[in-house]
Amino acid sequence: AQKITQTQPGMFVQEKEAVTLDCTYDTSDPSYGLFWYKQPSSGEMIFLIYQGSYDQQNATEGRYSLNFQKARKSANLVISASQLGDSAMYFCAMREGMDSSYKLIFGSGTRLLVRP
Amino acid sequence: EAQVTQNPRYLITVTGKKLTVTCSQNMNHEYMSWYRQDPGLGLRQIYYSMNVEVTDKGDVPEGYKVSRKEKRNFPLILESPSPNQTSLYFCASSFETGDDNEQFFGPGTRLTVL
Repeated sequence: AQKITQTQPGMFVQEKEAVTLDCTYDTSDPSYGLFWYKQPSSGEMIFLIYQGSYDQQNATEGRYSLNFQKARKSANLVISASQLGDSAMYFCAMREGMDSSYKLIFGSGTRLLVRP
Repeated sequence: EAQVTQNPRYLITVTGKKLTVTCSQNMNHEYMSWYRQDPGLGLRQIYYSMNVEVTDKGDVPEGYKVSRKEKRNFPLILESPSPNQTSLYFCASSFETGDDNEQFFGPGTRLTVL
């Protein structure tokens, strides 16, 4: 079974509007972390935001926020006021457990295109 | 500047010709890892290292070797590359402990095996 599922291969959004990128995850470990990375066309992986499984509040970083619904096992990324520079691939990733086997499990990604 | 560097950034080679992709970080991170990225599959972990002389297999280790003789370096070795190893490779590093430790990624190495 997929550990991280991103069901939207591609999405369009109008500049200045908000957009939600979906991510659902599957784990039986009570302790885990959820990450979002951005990959522009230049290829590098840029860390955006982190949510821990025990965090009481949804994470926010500037225009990025994470809509964390633990019971539904979803961790959707919300980008407010989209900019042309937001056009990129976005990956959701999960780290399971708190031991030192630090591995990120990635989803297949969502390509976001921002229209002017 | 804190960073993870990889070399080369681009490489075209032929089947069977041994190659090494270097990875170096200047943040004194204990943990280093290699991923490959393929279309529709996201990133998958190849090998990881929790500290010097400590390495272990990830999800897709076949056809790869690694070594960790120094804390800052974590080279990826392809002893006999094959076309199915054509991919985009990322090295990443982080501190070992801590809940929200971000993994810092290198710029990627695009490998083509003919």
